[in-house]
Amino acid sequence: SQQGEEDPQALSIQEGENATMNCSYKTSINNLQWYRQNSGRGLVHLILIRSNEREKHSGRLRVTLDTSKKSSSLLITASRAADTASYFCATDNSGYSTLTFGKGTMLLVSP
Amino acid sequence: DTAVSQTPKYLVTQMGNDKSIKCEQNLGHDTMYWYKQDSKKFLKIMFSYNNKELIINETVPNRFSPKSPDKAHLNLHINSLELGDSAVYFCASSQAPRQGAYEQYFGPGTRLTVT
Repeated sequence: SQQGEEDPQALSIQEGENATMNCSYKTSINNLQWYRQNSGRGLVHLILIRSNEREKHSGRLRVTLDTSKKSSSLLITASRAADTASYFCATDNSGYSTLTFGKGTMLLVSP
Repeated sequence: DTAVSQTPKYLVTQMGNDKSIKCEQNLGHDTMYWYKQDSKKFLKIMFSYNNKELIINETVPNRFSPKSPDKAHLNLHINSLELGDSAVYFCASSQAPRQGAYEQYFGPGTRLTVT
């Protein structure tokens, strides 16, 4: 069954702007992960945040996790055209790395 | 130096046929997975193998069977293909999940079209 639900479904911004994507989930989790998928390609892991963590950074990426609200957000700062892709959150609520993916947010960054 | 590779990249076949998709990883990971991504980009886990043993088996039809000759390979066999099997199938691998939380590394995908 689907666990994560990303919002918005699609986002269009200009280069240099920040992009924020949100993910909500339904059950308790072990960790939450964000992945990027370029058109016609496989998924690439971006960040993993554990249930006892509230915020993580990686380069221009910032992920927050609010377990009380069962939600996470992914912030991409100073976006670039190369950031154009679909972004998925995935929850691991079993401890077996059984990931349940959301439907994704399609991000379009225009030059 | 592809980490997770799949063959073929595209597969077009007729209903009722039997086909296989191969997956190999050179990362030394203990666990491999198969996912199905439908036309709406919804990605769902199908199988997971850890040290050659099936550790999860989601509710997929038994026409789908994973085969792991060794821990670097996890092939997907599909019997009696149906139109609804058309999708992109992704293989992935990770370190053993019981040792912690690890990210998964995905292959490039195999686009299966059943006509």
